[in-house]
Amino acid sequence: SQKIEQNSEALNIQEGKTATLTCNYTNYSPAYLQWYRQDPGRGPVFLLLIRENEKEKRKERLKVTFDTTLKQSLFHITASQPADSATYLCALVIGLDDKIIFGKGTRLHILP
Amino acid sequence: KAGVTQTPRYLIKTRGQQVTLSCSPISGHRSVSWYQQTPGQGLQFLFEYFSETQRNKGNFPGRFSGRQFSNSRSEMNVSTLELGDSALYLCASSWALGGGTDTQYFGPGTRLTVL
Repeated sequence: SQKIEQNSEALNIQEGKTATLTCNYTNYSPAYLQWYRQDPGRGPVFLLLIRENEKEKRKERLKVTFDTTLKQSLFHITASQPADSATYLCALVIGLDDKIIFGKGTRLHILP
Repeated sequence: KAGVTQTPRYLIKTRGQQVTLSCSPISGHRSVSWYQQTPGQGLQFLFEYFSETQRNKGNFPGRFSGRQFSNSRSEMNVSTLELGDSALYLCASSWALGGGTDTQYFGPGTRLTVL
């Protein structure tokens, strides 16, 4: 069956360290993969998009990798800050009609 | 420019009733997608409208329907509400169809509680 799995219910990281979130998928062949941030009571906010032929994408303190062989994307936040605490969602973009399938998200807590 | 707006923000209904939610996209955006978010299932795609036509549909029963107007504003309707319909309903707008490579901008959502 088709699945998207994001690691653990919640992740606690010490301020200043690098937070790494995982998105694994099975039985999908996404053309693109997106990462979003969602704060409590608010809608998701788009962060980064990476294409299937791209290995890595960076934006300020954020880095995303995409391994289509492992069927995995890693999302890194370097020099993490308490303000980075939020739920992070990965989303696969699949099919000719660009349907977007979301993972359930990982709650990240950056501890001061 | 103004973001995506959704009304109402909160809604309480009872089983069997119907509900209509509204979404106003960012000015110039022609695509509006609707999602249901619950703690158990996460964020699930309902449908997408582009230029007043439904272009994509998720795996939801026919009780869930929507429409888009000529000004790109969209409404979604849920008839014969069930307890399991309690969720955060989010809409997202983008300039292009599909939202795959085009950034989707989400609204704050409508929190629906069915009693």
